[in-house]
Amino acid sequence: DGGITQSPKYLFRKEGQNVTLSCEQNLNHDAMYWYRQDPGQGLRLIYYSQIVNDFQKGDIAEGYSVSREKKESFPLTVTSAQKNPTAFYLCASTWERRAFFGQGTRLTVV
Amino acid sequence: GDSVTQMEGPVTLSEEAFLTINCTYTATGYPSLFWYVQYPGEGLQLLLKATKADDKGSNKGFEATYRKETTSFHLEKGSVQVSDSAVYFCALNDQAGTALIFGKGTTLSVSS
Repeated sequence: DGGITQSPKYLFRKEGQNVTLSCEQNLNHDAMYWYRQDPGQGLRLIYYSQIVNDFQKGDIAEGYSVSREKKESFPLTVTSAQKNPTAFYLCASTWERRAFFGQGTRLTVV
Repeated sequence: GDSVTQMEGPVTLSEEAFLTINCTYTATGYPSLFWYVQYPGEGLQLLLKATKADDKGSNKGFEATYRKETTSFHLEKGSVQVSDSAVYFCALNDQAGTALIFGKGTTLSVSS
């Protein structure tokens, strides 16, 4: 089945650690996005990529980094510089303006 | 910049009640408009869309009409079910297709 796969579903991070969230798609879509979701705040854009080897900062990029070495993959690294990383993270791709979402990764700092 | 504003929830209804969730937008040009639904612990799923003025998107009994004169895209359903309980997001994609902008989401709770 075509779609977007995020892994892991749950992730626990200790203070000061970097962690990487995986996002893979087999839809052959050029554009991919990372959003952060917090209760009552909707979806906030972290980074997006329109094409391989290129990406742009979104509204809340500080403390995060991404790469886009392959069309299918758009991993997000949450660095130790992100002071409040506990949230639900959603990866998406778009085709003809419609967004397709993964199932999300819930990150918790312990 | 572009933005989406939707009514704050939670919205609490009894089964078979009429639902309206208001959504207005600010954008230049002619964006595409969407409603997405999110069930607990999951990603978002497309519910319906409209790509030009006066288009009506519909799916699973939900409807929304793209009103350019009032910059609105209100979601309606004539008779809600318990299974409709979820968070609903209004969204736009700008004319260039580069930006996805979401509202803050409205939680709907339907009781039997």
